[in-house]
Amino acid sequence: EDQVTQSPEALRLQEGESSSLNCSYTVSGLRGLFWYRQDPGKGPEFLFTLYSAGEEKEKERLKATLTKKESFLHITAPKPEDSATYLCAVQGDGGTSYGKLTFGQGTILTVHP
Amino acid sequence: KAGVTQTPRYLIKTRGQQVTLSCSPISGHRSVSWYQQTPGQGLQFLFEYFSETQRNKGNFPGRFSGRQFSNSRSEMNVSTLELGDSALYLCASSFSDYGYTFGSGTRLTVV
Repeated sequence: EDQVTQSPEALRLQEGESSSLNCSYTVSGLRGLFWYRQDPGKGPEFLFTLYSAGEEKEKERLKATLTKKESFLHITAPKPEDSATYLCAVQGDGGTSYGKLTFGQGTILTVHP
Repeated sequence: KAGVTQTPRYLIKTRGQQVTLSCSPISGHRSVSWYQQTPGQGLQFLFEYFSETQRNKGNFPGRFSGRQFSNSRSEMNVSTLELGDSALYLCASSFSDYGYTFGSGTRLTVV
């Protein structure tokens, strides 16, 4: 069974204070690892998909990296508008994985001005 | 380009009733997945439909069911509602199983 563990559960940063969120996963075969951002009362907003170990993707102040066991979401010089819950999810490559993402519990990020 | 549309946004139902939620995927997307999100359990996979066929199902009781129409729109139904069914129900659509776009969800409250 696919499993995803995110840490920390909550992270409070000062504006401009860079940090990283961790996502540890176990999956029999990885089809993709996904990062989403979710604001209160809204659906998850897609950020990145990573497919293989060593892959990196960047978008504005965010950079996602992937190894065979974990992924990191690095936030450089965050701003208050980056405050949200960040969700990590994996999809396996088996036939029972159609449309199925297994999510972690998320990291609640708060950035203070 | 229109996103994934879920209706209604909010719903209040009484225990024992049934409810139907609707999801219109992004144009051209043929895969629609449904998730339940609660504070305690997080996001949990309910089922996935592709070209009107259920391809995958999560570990939920048979009270939870769904269907997909020929235009890829999908509905999910929950019968005999329980208090524990109160949650945010999210739908996600995909073109190629490599990226999933979520809707804003339907907030269901069972009283």
